[in-house]
Amino acid sequence: DTGVSQDPRHKITKRGQNVTFRCDPISEHNRLYWYRQTLGQGPEFLTYFQNEAQLEKSRLLSDRFSAERPKGSFSTLEIQRTEQGDSAMYLCASSDDRVAGYTFGSGTRLTVV
Amino acid sequence: GQNIDQPTEMTATEGAIVQINCTYQTSGFNGLFWYQQHAGEAPTFLSYNVLDGLEEKGRFSSFLSRSKGYSYLLLKELQMKDSASYLCAAYNQGGKLIFGQGTELSVKP
Repeated sequence: DTGVSQDPRHKITKRGQNVTFRCDPISEHNRLYWYRQTLGQGPEFLTYFQNEAQLEKSRLLSDRFSAERPKGSFSTLEIQRTEQGDSAMYLCASSDDRVAGYTFGSGTRLTVV
Repeated sequence: GQNIDQPTEMTATEGAIVQINCTYQTSGFNGLFWYQQHAGEAPTFLSYNVLDGLEEKGRFSSFLSRSKGYSYLLLKELQMKDSASYLCAAYNQGGKLIFGQGTELSVKP
């Protein structure tokens, strides 16, 4: 078990471009979560999947953001028409139904210039 | 509303004991997580409390009082490597974690 993997680790993009991040959860985990973290703050919940179903979306997730988990395994988070305010660390986490197994990946740091 | 409060910064001396407090006010509360996060790295799981009381795990202990909406993380025999951000998070029904802003702990020699 290699834990939760995220790719890329870092992404620099120009304002207005689209970006896509990938998360590979721990293989036995049926739940997958996306969070966003800015400097000096705790992570903020974005969205949550149970298997392939997206069960909850935060109001932080504007219509420029979309997340998918097509086969109930890996997930992608796409941001369209990026803005400077999107610059943050995007964290993925996964768990099974035992909450104590809630594990975070190392994150993708997005910088919009 | 949902609110998690913890101190922004704390400083302690190597070898000492430090207690980081967290108060929470959330709906659908199911338990309380503590994570450690070093700069630029993923949050690392420390503890999860569901029931009232103290849970001890090596140098780290965590306490929960559901009636008071209060938790603390106790770190004993502090080491320099314990310098990090400590995140308190309430676990809600459905799997969402509501995080505090984190407490930046600096351990001095």
